[in-house]
Amino acid sequence: IAGITQAPTSQILAAGRRMTLRCTQDMRHNAMYWYRQDLGLGLRLIHYSNTAGTTGKGEVPDGYSVSRANTDDFPLTLASAVPSQTSVYFCASRASGAFTGELFFGEGSRLTVL
Amino acid sequence: DAKTTQPPSMDCAEGRAANLPCNHSTISGNEYVYWYRQIHSQGPQYIIHGLKNNETNEMASLIITEDRKSSTLILPHATLRDTAVYYCIVRVNAGGTSYGKLTFGQGTILTVHP
Repeated sequence: IAGITQAPTSQILAAGRRMTLRCTQDMRHNAMYWYRQDLGLGLRLIHYSNTAGTTGKGEVPDGYSVSRANTDDFPLTLASAVPSQTSVYFCASRASGAFTGELFFGEGSRLTVL
Repeated sequence: DAKTTQPPSMDCAEGRAANLPCNHSTISGNEYVYWYRQIHSQGPQYIIHGLKNNETNEMASLIITEDRKSSTLILPHATLRDTAVYYCIVRVNAGGTSYGKLTFGQGTILTVHP
């Protein structure tokens, strides 16, 4: 079934460690996004990419980096994890030019930083 | 993007219509109204969107007031599986560098009971 795959689904990480959350989509969507979801704060945009080779900052980009080397993959890296980055992370994609503007979301990666 | 206001929670009996309101009094002429929902522990799911006309699809109906300052999502025959957080979002559905960013607020927790 076509869609978005995130990995890992869950991870416990020591503070100070480097971590990369993986996101792969097979829908050939140009635009991809990373969100974090925290209780009481809803979904907040971290970084986005409108097309391969370009990235942009969202609402809460500090402490995170992304790359978009190709259309399918959009990894999110925490260079030195801190406890405040404990969250559920969602990757999403969207077909540029699609009138519906529908975002397709992955199932999330739950990250705990101790 | 215009700010939206939704009630924090609502209840609905199974088989009845669920009517979820959203206020977006600062909406601009080129901003669309989108609805997503998030079932517990899953990624958000697109439901419907519209500009000024009422819209209907297999999941729901969207009623937008004539002045576009508010809208209502209608689930015509709610089931237990419709229990979720429902997000109302307004944004420009345009191309270019602004393409695709959706800002999710707190949403409405809809509980469908037997």
